[in-house]
Amino acid sequence: DTAVSQTPKYLVTQMGNDKSIKCEQNLGHDTMYWYKQDSKKFLKIMFSYNNKELIINETVPNRFSPKSPDKAHLNLHINSLELGDSAVYFCASSHTSTSGGNEQFFGPGTRLTVL
Amino acid sequence: GDSVTQMEGPVTLSEEAFLTINCTYTATGYPSLFWYVQYPGEGLQLLLKATKADDKGSNKGFEATYRKETTSFHLEKGSVQVSDSAVYFCALSEGADGLTFGKGTHLIIQP
Repeated sequence: DTAVSQTPKYLVTQMGNDKSIKCEQNLGHDTMYWYKQDSKKFLKIMFSYNNKELIINETVPNRFSPKSPDKAHLNLHINSLELGDSAVYFCASSHTSTSGGNEQFFGPGTRLTVL
Repeated sequence: GDSVTQMEGPVTLSEEAFLTINCTYTATGYPSLFWYVQYPGEGLQLLLKATKADDKGSNKGFEATYRKETTSFHLEKGSVQVSDSAVYFCALSEGADGLTFGKGTHLIIQP
């Protein structure tokens, strides 16, 4: 009964490849997010989806494309992988809040290594 | 834009010592404030939060008070344990935006 799950946990791939990371939440939340954590542990939001619609799209290369087939899933596709894409990617979800006070629940992370 | 500044560490303390991790923020509006904790090899867990000025969030012996006048949300614990060793992140959010995180503070507690 994992709340927010991600697959795979580890992903090792060559430069130039295309890969996807999947995220699913069973909490009934209507907002989902992708965050990137770099090697120095710095976390930065990449995307936010509410009810399958894109809300936030921070300055992220267009090689990254989120796809939300339904409210419970938010997948991250990355084309033409580069060395600098190596990081840990976290999915998160929350109830929608206009005041910003709702807790976000995080998945366990996907460690992407680009060789 | 919004930003969060926190001491980066590592912070090394002995068991039962008093802990303070400073956090200050800059925001355009009236944000909610959070502390998240990341144990080795795991995702982030919410430790505590406060949504308005003078609110005190508390959990597992940790406390932080929302100070609007000093734009701060310092994390404190009276007596730390080895099991508290982790990375602690201060964060804020406004409206439907995602979280803006500080750079994280690596806490090491020695027996």
